[in-house]
Amino acid sequence: AAGVIQSPRHLIKEKRETATLKCYPIPRHDTVYWYQQGPGQDPQFLISFYEKMQSDKGSIPDRFSAQQFSDYHSELNMSSLELGDSALYFCASSFLAGYEQYFGPGTRLTVT
Amino acid sequence: ELKVEQNPLFLSMQEGKNYTIYCNYSTTSDRLYWYRQDPGKSLESLFVLLSNGAVKQEGRLMASLDTKARLSTLHITAAVHDLSATYFCAVGETSGSRLTFGEGTQLTVNP
Repeated sequence: AAGVIQSPRHLIKEKRETATLKCYPIPRHDTVYWYQQGPGQDPQFLISFYEKMQSDKGSIPDRFSAQQFSDYHSELNMSSLELGDSALYFCASSFLAGYEQYFGPGTRLTVT
Repeated sequence: ELKVEQNPLFLSMQEGKNYTIYCNYSTTSDRLYWYRQDPGKSLESLFVLLSNGAVKQEGRLMASLDTKARLSTLHITAAVHDLSATYFCAVGETSGSRLTFGEGTQLTVNP
């Protein structure tokens, strides 16, 4: 069965650079969620989109922005990167009316 | 604000032993999830519990939900080394809503 695809899987950036993470949800899923997991921490919700509109917003820094495109893939744009942005970034997808979120493999971002 | 608390946060077990991980949450919800995570890997869905009294079992793991007590448990029976991982519970307030995770329980099963 098709799963959530994230790219790239690993990304190394320097401080103050920008990064773009991509997420391709499971076909026919209409909702995408982004989570950030710091080292040794639990995943923290950043933002979600339903039918290309932002549906919820969590603890996402103003330096970050995201959108969902017409083909339902989503991108998380991160600017002015800081060392503290180093983390695993997960994308998950679901049917809005469904009850389960399916997680992608994650993108490991390292900021040096 | 929804809060989710797990205990214990660290659990070291001998193979063959039984133990229970607890997950308490602060607001009304009937959607409770258990995930497993190996180091540096993604979140693997173990159980989805959607109603009061729900009980699900898969192999050596059994999860239950008591919505009145706002408590879920993950019971490990006759632990084996392959169960070593971090286990997270997560709560979703409504269909389609964000998940709020507990801090995770780092389980180590020793031979």
